[in-house]
Amino acid sequence: KQEVTQIPAALSVPEGENLVLNCSFTDSAIYNLQWFRQDPGKGLTSLLLIQSSQREQTSGRLNASLDKSSGRSTLYIAASQPGDSATYLCAVDTGTASKLTFGTGTRLQVTL
Amino acid sequence: SAVISQKPSRDICQRGTSLTIQCQVDSQVTMMFWYRQQPGQSLTLIATANQGSEATYESGFVIDKFPISRPNLTFSTLTVSNMSPEDSSIYLCSVTASYEQYFGPGTRLTVT
Repeated sequence: KQEVTQIPAALSVPEGENLVLNCSFTDSAIYNLQWFRQDPGKGLTSLLLIQSSQREQTSGRLNASLDKSSGRSTLYIAASQPGDSATYLCAVDTGTASKLTFGTGTRLQVTL
Repeated sequence: SAVISQKPSRDICQRGTSLTIQCQVDSQVTMMFWYRQQPGQSLTLIATANQGSEATYESGFVIDKFPISRPNLTFSTLTVSNMSPEDSSIYLCSVTASYEQYFGPGTRLTVT
C-alpha cells in the first residue's frame, strides 16, 4: 500500500527566503506526482505535475523535482511571499485508474 | 484544464439526516472522484464514479453510507447518509484532464 509522507509538517519563514518542502513515498512504481496548494477551508489548486519519466518541472518561482528510485520529491519555492502561505500537499498517482494518494501536508506561513 | 463547481459550498446538518452534494464539470470526463478531508487531515479517496456504471468504493467506504450517482459525463452527486458528527469534513470532487487532477472548491459539512 502506498504511503506518502511530507516533512516538515509546519514551517514559518520570513518573506524573501527560499525554502524546500519534502515529500516521500514508499512505492516507487508511480505514474506521476502532483503538488497542490490548499488555502484554509478551500479546495486544491494544482501547482505542478511531474510525470514518472521527468526529473523536474518549473512554474514561476516554483520548482519540483522527482527521484523515483529513492521515493522522493521536493518543492522549491524561491523568494517566498506572504501570499504563499497555505498548506502544500503532494500526491502520487500509481496509475490505477488515476487514484491519488495524498501526503500529510506542510503548512507554510510566510511572515512580513 | 477543467473547471469544477460544487453545491452547496457549506452546510450545517442535524444528526441522522442526509445531504446530497453536486459536482459539475465544464467538460466531458470519463472518471470523477470523490474525496473526504476530515478536520486537520489530508485527503482520502471515497470512490470513483464512471458514467453508466456503479461507483467503485475504497476500503472503509460503503454504498449505503455514500451513494453516488453519475447520470452523464459532466455531473455527479455524492450523498452522505444518516449523518453523524464524525462525517463533519470537507468533501471534494475531482477529475483528470491531460494526466493532471483538478479539484472542485469543496463542500464543508458540519454535523451537529
